Amino acid sequence: SQQGEEDPQALSIQEGENATMNCSYKTSINNLQWYRQNSGRGLVHLILIRSNEREKHSGRLRVTLDTSKKSSSLLITASRAADTASYFCATDRTSGSRLTFGEGTQLTVNP
Amino acid sequence: GAVVSQHPSWVICKSGTSVKIECRSLDFQATTMFWYRQFPKQSLMLMATSNEGSKATYEQGVEKDKFLINHASLTLSTLTVTSAHPEDSSFYICSARDVGEGQYFGPGTRLLVL
Repeated sequence: SQQGEEDPQALSIQEGENATMNCSYKTSINNLQWYRQNSGRGLVHLILIRSNEREKHSGRLRVTLDTSKKSSSLLITASRAADTASYFCATDRTSGSRLTFGEGTQLTVNP
Repeated sequence: GAVVSQHPSWVICKSGTSVKIECRSLDFQATTMFWYRQFPKQSLMLMATSNEGSKATYEQGVEKDKFLINHASLTLSTLTVTSAHPEDSSFYICSARDVGEGQYFGPGTRLLVL
């Protein structure tokens, strides 16, 4: 079963705007990862944040982690039409253990 | 780096046949690989965890005799869907874990059973 929940389930924005997606989980974690999936394709690893980290940046991506609230957010700045995809968070409870995926957010960036 | 390939990318077969899907880590060694299936507009569901040189660990509700997994080397795992039926039609995705704890996914295999 999926332990993660993501909101919103769907997000539609205009090109150039920022997109924020949230992920919540239920158990303690070792790390949390964000992935992107284009329709009918595999998952692309975006960023990994460890449980002892609070914020991480990679290009136009900014990820935060609040272990007290068991939640994470993914911010995509200056969005582009090519960012249109589904975004999933995934957690593992211990190093090397299985990933548990959230339900995903479908992001549409309109040109 | 951290590239995972899958073959084939799509397959159409008749009901009752068996289908083998390969998952390879191209530029790193993966002691652990994972197999997922994904139905349209849904998230990934873990089917099994595959460790090199040992038997796979299957998730509850996944038939191990139906979905045979072999992890023969540190760079190759295979999933065989035996006696496939239309309800097995799905998108199958593998992933491989590297030593840095990141988990990298293959491009997926779309299976359609007629």
